Amino acid sequence: DTGVSQDPRHKITKRGQNVTFRCDPISEHNRLYWYRQTLGQGPEFLTYFQNEAQLEKSRLLSDRFSAERPKGSFSTLEIQRTEQGDSAMYLCASSLVIAQNEKLFFGSGTQLSVL
Amino acid sequence: GQQLNQSPQSMFIQEGEDVSMNCTSSSIFNTWLWYKQDPGEGPVLLIALYKAGELTSNGRLTAQFGITRKDSFLNISASIPSDVGIYFCAGQLPSGNTPLVFGKGTRLSVIA
Repeated sequence: DTGVSQDPRHKITKRGQNVTFRCDPISEHNRLYWYRQTLGQGPEFLTYFQNEAQLEKSRLLSDRFSAERPKGSFSTLEIQRTEQGDSAMYLCASSLVIAQNEKLFFGSGTQLSVL
Repeated sequence: GQQLNQSPQSMFIQEGEDVSMNCTSSSIFNTWLWYKQDPGEGPVLLIALYKAGELTSNGRLTAQFGITRKDSFLNISASIPSDVGIYFCAGQLPSGNTPLVFGKGTRLSVIA
């Protein structure tokens, strides 16, 4: 299967701990997105990369959050000093833009629970 | 930030019935995408629309890009139990490389 892969699927951590999530996009896709989703809401944009360049960050992305895509392939999202409000599903998506038309394909997400 | 108003919030229908849901915005979009999400999973792309007035089908699903570019609808014909889930619309502004904005979803329940 060559879809978007996210690891881990679930993460339970204590408040104050650091966590890191990984996303492997579809191989030929040059854009990679991170979204966050809480219960009863649609996904909310956090940040995105075009190849290895981080092009935009949402105001939702506090300074405790950092994302990298070092070689333009996989990406990591790190949350430092986690808070209970960080509990959410973290979704990664990738896309290939053709003639300004874009389709995002999502992974299965990482469900984070901060105790 | 931009907001998409998706309606209805939830609906209960009998198996075999047709379903219609829509999404509106105060801003013009140049792309509308419709997704379905099952519990504990990521959204799955159903239909992508790129031109005003465009009508696109995917099996029993049909979606249209509104003429005003501020709305879109999704129809599901002859619903079946596996149609249960949350349906999200997502739009992209025409101003360059902007990320998708999502609605809050329509939760569909199908009664057999």
